[in-house]
Amino acid sequence: QVQLVQSGSELKEPGASVMVSCKASGYTFKNYAINWVRQAPGQGLEWMGWINTNTGNPTYVQGFTGRFVFSLDTSVSTTYLQISSLKAEDTAVYYCARSTTSGASDPWGQGTLVTVSS
Amino acid sequence: DIVLTQSPGTLSLSPGERATLSCRASQSVSSNYLAWYQQKPGQTPRLLIYGASSRATGIPDRFSGSGSGTDFTLTISRLEPEDFAVYYCQQYASSPLNFGGGTKVEIK
Repeated sequence: QVQLVQSGSELKEPGASVMVSCKASGYTFKNYAINWVRQAPGQGLEWMGWINTNTGNPTYVQGFTGRFVFSLDTSVSTTYLQISSLKAEDTAVYYCARSTTSGASDPWGQGTLVTVSS
Repeated sequence: DIVLTQSPGTLSLSPGERATLSCRASQSVSSNYLAWYQQKPGQTPRLLIYGASSRATGIPDRFSGSGSGTDFTLTISRLEPEDFAVYYCQQYASSPLNFGGGTKVEIK
């Protein structure tokens, strides 16, 4: 079945970097874009942007430029989110989600909790 | 940017009752590119409705979506115990693909 499996929880100190992976299976990886969504503790969903899995071209929403980088490795059907110069306010669950042919997101990865604390 | 406003913020209902959730857009959502997601505590969001009114695979028919332009509605005809959750709308007509703030459906 179509599945996105994300890497495990991370605890990082302020100023460090983190990389979250999202491995796809059950479909042709290059045929569907991947969205990234952030959910801060107790808050709603925030769309960060997306990456074209055919060209590797990323698109970032305002507020997620500079320190946030989407990348991919098509040989292992995996998309990555790297966050550098981590701040306490980056503490959140980060989700990857496949963009369907309709444009909606389905399925979603299980989420990766990134905690930034000294 | 298209801003989505969901109401009410919280809906307190009993099992078996009908739930009506609203999502209003700050400008028209072209082609009715509007989706609804369900998120239970500690779980991943799940796609319920896309294209404003099409149910995603495996979604029970007690969930229905309607609306066009700037006003959209998610209706749960008879609430089951597993339906108590937070519901989000999202427009995917134009970037940024904003979500609404969510409606929590809680047990009365």
